Amino acid sequence: ETGVTQSPTHLIKTRGQQVTLRCSSQSGHNTVSWYQQALGQGPQFIFQYYREEENGRGNFPPRFSGLQFPNYSSELNVNALELDDSALYLCASSTREAGGPQTQYFGPGTRLLVL
Amino acid sequence: GNSVTQMEGPVTLSEEAFLTINCTYTATGYPSLFWYVQYPGEGLQLLLKATKADDKGSNKGFEATYRKETTSFHLEKGSVQVSDSAVYFCALTKGGGGFKTIFGAGTRLFVKA
Repeated sequence: ETGVTQSPTHLIKTRGQQVTLRCSSQSGHNTVSWYQQALGQGPQFIFQYYREEENGRGNFPPRFSGLQFPNYSSELNVNALELDDSALYLCASSTREAGGPQTQYFGPGTRLLVL
Repeated sequence: GNSVTQMEGPVTLSEEAFLTINCTYTATGYPSLFWYVQYPGEGLQLLLKATKADDKGSNKGFEATYRKETTSFHLEKGSVQVSDSAVYFCALTKGGGGFKTIFGAGTRLFVKA
C-alpha cells in the first residue's frame, strides 16, 4: 500500500505567478484535503474534495482552487501569488467512515516560496 | 466557531521525564479529537485519536483522554525519549460542510539525553 505523495517537494515562484501542486492519495481513499502551514504555525484547512466535488472550504480566497480526478488524485492551484502564500502545503487523504470523522493520512508536503 | 488551544512551547525535558502537553478545544456538539506529530522535515503523522467523551487514545506510550466536561485532550507520556523530539499538534474534526480538521498552533518538544 503506497502512502500519500506530493509533488514537487520545493518550489520558488514570484509574486503574481500561478502555481499547481499535486497530490496522489493513498490507495483506497476517496477524499482529499489540502492545508496551508505557515512557518511555526498549525495547518490551516483550505478545502476538501470527495468524489471529485468540493466538500467544504476554509477561509481562503477564490484564487485558491482545486480539482480531484477520477483516480482520486488532486491538484491545488493558486493564482496571483502573494508573498504571504509562502508556506508548506499539505495534502491529506482519507476515506469516509460511516457516521464518523475521517482519519487523515498526510503527505510530506510541498514547500512554496514566493519572492 | 471551533478552535483548538494548546500550550506554547518549546518544552524541554530530560530523557525519561514525564510529559504533559495541554490541549483545550471549543466546539459545538461532539467533535473527534486527535494528536498529530511532525518530525523535522516530515509531514504530519497521526499519533492517537478519540471519537467520543471519556475515550482514551493511546500509541507508542502516549495517551490522551477526551474530557467533555473540561473540553480538554491533554497528551501525556510517562517517560520520554530523545526520539520523541518533534512538534505535536492537537486537532479536532467536526462534520458539516465536509469533515474540516482544525489544528492548534503546535508545541515543540526537545528531549535531552
